Amino acid sequence: DTGVSQDPRHKITKRGQNVTFRCDPISEHNRLYWYRQTLGQGPEFLTYFQNEAQLEKSRLLSDRFSAERPKGSFSTLEIQRTEQGDSAMYLCASSLTGGHLEQFFGPGTRLTVL
Amino acid sequence: AQRVTQPEKLLSVFKGAPVELKCNYSYSGSPELFWYVQYSRQRLQLLLRHISRESIKGFTADLNKGETSFHLKKPFAQEEDSAMYYCALSTQGGSEKLVFGKGTKLTVNP
Repeated sequence: DTGVSQDPRHKITKRGQNVTFRCDPISEHNRLYWYRQTLGQGPEFLTYFQNEAQLEKSRLLSDRFSAERPKGSFSTLEIQRTEQGDSAMYLCASSLTGGHLEQFFGPGTRLTVL
Repeated sequence: AQRVTQPEKLLSVFKGAPVELKCNYSYSGSPELFWYVQYSRQRLQLLLRHISRESIKGFTADLNKGETSFHLKKPFAQEEDSAMYYCALSTQGGSEKLVFGKGTKLTVNP
């Protein structure tokens, strides 16, 4: 286990299509976060999981977005009916619980919506 | 609402010169502050956090609650310090999600 992995690394899709991204956290980490980063901005929080429970969602996460972490290990982020404004880098991070511990980031999935 | 401000989008210094990357925050609770760094073609990684009071790669940062600042400093910049630097605040309790600034791109010229 060499760190957080994300798949795919790049995704190009047409407006209106659905896309799904996968994140595999560091194996013993029970917290998993999704962030979105657009050009010239820092990462923005989308949602987080404690084990399999999704405990917080940002207002940025419209109802076209859904995230799951079915067995408390990997997570998926699905975007339905993509829009050009969804074009961004989607980052996944994981951490242990408690005490503002370091979040370890994956390489990201770059989404381009044409 | 929590907010992190990094006033400089770009910062350019010469090798061996001191460098200071500014970060100001607003948060009603007791903040945990971090500096994350992203080197070219690498993933975002933690550089340092205020609670550990460490010096990493020669960088230090002091939390000033009166001025609500957490500036990152290094007395002698090196070319390998060239990177994107993000200041981040971790919220209390619950998710402990990170709130990031927009980042400062540091270039250290030879």
